[in-house]
Amino acid sequence: GENVEQHPSTLSVQEGDSAVIKCTYSDSASNYFPWYKQELGKRPQLIIDIRSNVGEKKDQRIAVTLNKTAKHFSLHITETQPEDSAVYFCAASISGGYQKVTFGTGTKLQVIP
Amino acid sequence: DAEITQSPRHKITETGRQVTLACHQTWNHNNMFWYRQDLGHGLRLIHYSYGVQDTNKGEVSDGYSVSRSNTEDLPLTLESAASSQTSVYFCASSDMRGGAGAPDTQYFGPGTRLTVL
Repeated sequence: GENVEQHPSTLSVQEGDSAVIKCTYSDSASNYFPWYKQELGKRPQLIIDIRSNVGEKKDQRIAVTLNKTAKHFSLHITETQPEDSAVYFCAASISGGYQKVTFGTGTKLQVIP
Repeated sequence: DAEITQSPRHKITETGRQVTLACHQTWNHNNMFWYRQDLGHGLRLIHYSYGVQDTNKGEVSDGYSVSRSNTEDLPLTLESAASSQTSVYFCASSDMRGGAGAPDTQYFGPGTRLTVL
């Protein structure tokens, strides 16, 4: 089955700096890669996703890149703000009716004001 | 608005008791999932369903069961609760067509914090 590894497990940055979280996956059939943000005590919520026919996707201060050959994808947050502090999960799945998503173990991001 | 709800939000039970956690979604999604979340392990898949009468085991299914009698509900049953099942449980739903949401996106419920004493 799919295996997703996520690094780092914790990340501290100064407000205004950039943060990068990296993930690798094992199943070359995976074609849908979502990123979820989970604030303390809350449910995970999708912040951005990318499909295998796209190399990069951007939404305001967040961007995701995908390298299918190397089987890795990354989340980039620019101009970090205190409200970006949360746990971020990457995931990999095969899009379609029989979806099964495998999550990484999470990265706890702390933005220091 | 479409939503996914879980009940109860908090539950304390004793070892050996049977416990059922409810999950209800109004996204009109075919796919439903149960995860447990523990520190250092992220979200681990317990059971999942692709439609009515369909259920499948995930990576940590021992001691848990589910049934899917309609589109909206996927209750999770702990047959005989163990202390190792103390965790936060999340239900999620998705659909390749999106239903009331975006295609393939998993929408999570608010979670149930279960403590087994």
